Amino acid sequence: NAGVMQNPRHLVRRRGQEARLRCSPMKGHSHVYWYRQLPEEGLKFMVYLQKENIIDESGMPKERFSAEFPKEGPSILRIQQVVRGDSAAYFCASSPSGGTGGGYEQYFGPGTRLTVT
Amino acid sequence: RKEVEQDPGPFNVPEGATVAFNCTYSNSASQSFFWYRQDCRKEPKLLMSVYSSGNEDGRFTAQLNRASQYISLLIRDSKLSDSATYLCVVDTGRRALTFGSGTRLQVQP
Repeated sequence: NAGVMQNPRHLVRRRGQEARLRCSPMKGHSHVYWYRQLPEEGLKFMVYLQKENIIDESGMPKERFSAEFPKEGPSILRIQQVVRGDSAAYFCASSPSGGTGGGYEQYFGPGTRLTVT
Repeated sequence: RKEVEQDPGPFNVPEGATVAFNCTYSNSASQSFFWYRQDCRKEPKLLMSVYSSGNEDGRFTAQLNRASQYISLLIRDSKLSDSATYLCVVDTGRRALTFGSGTRLQVQP
């Protein structure tokens, strides 16, 4: 059973360019989450999506960042006009459907390391 | 005050030792609790969920004290492969996990 897949694993962008990060959840999982880990810091929640719906985007920066999880295909985290401060590891996680209290443990992909030059 | 607080360590212990990590959380509405491990900035790997009754998985035992808002992880008979950063994680039910900064463990031969 393949785990959460993310690509690319490493991405280098110049300031002002766009970055697109992709995440395919584990088979059978319909919930996707994005987290960011800045250098020497802990992981911070960004956004929670189900197919075609953004459930919680309370952790997303107000500008330049967007996320989607279309009916077909992977979830995409898009960063427009990247700046040096966007350099970080971006992790995607997925979970099966289900209520709280169990059955929704989040499993993480290997991450995309974004470097803005 | 951080939402989830952990001693950053490092904890340097010999193989075979027992080591305990503690974590406190500030949001009394937190509903679910987890321990993850993270190796060298790789992805976090789920170690175990933490239940009010406490739970054990092999050499690992987790405890939760809701009244004190305190979570613990005990590792018995430490192995070299246990060397990692251990992340205390809580969720208020929104599924937006809140991570502690982690406690670094180094098991020495």
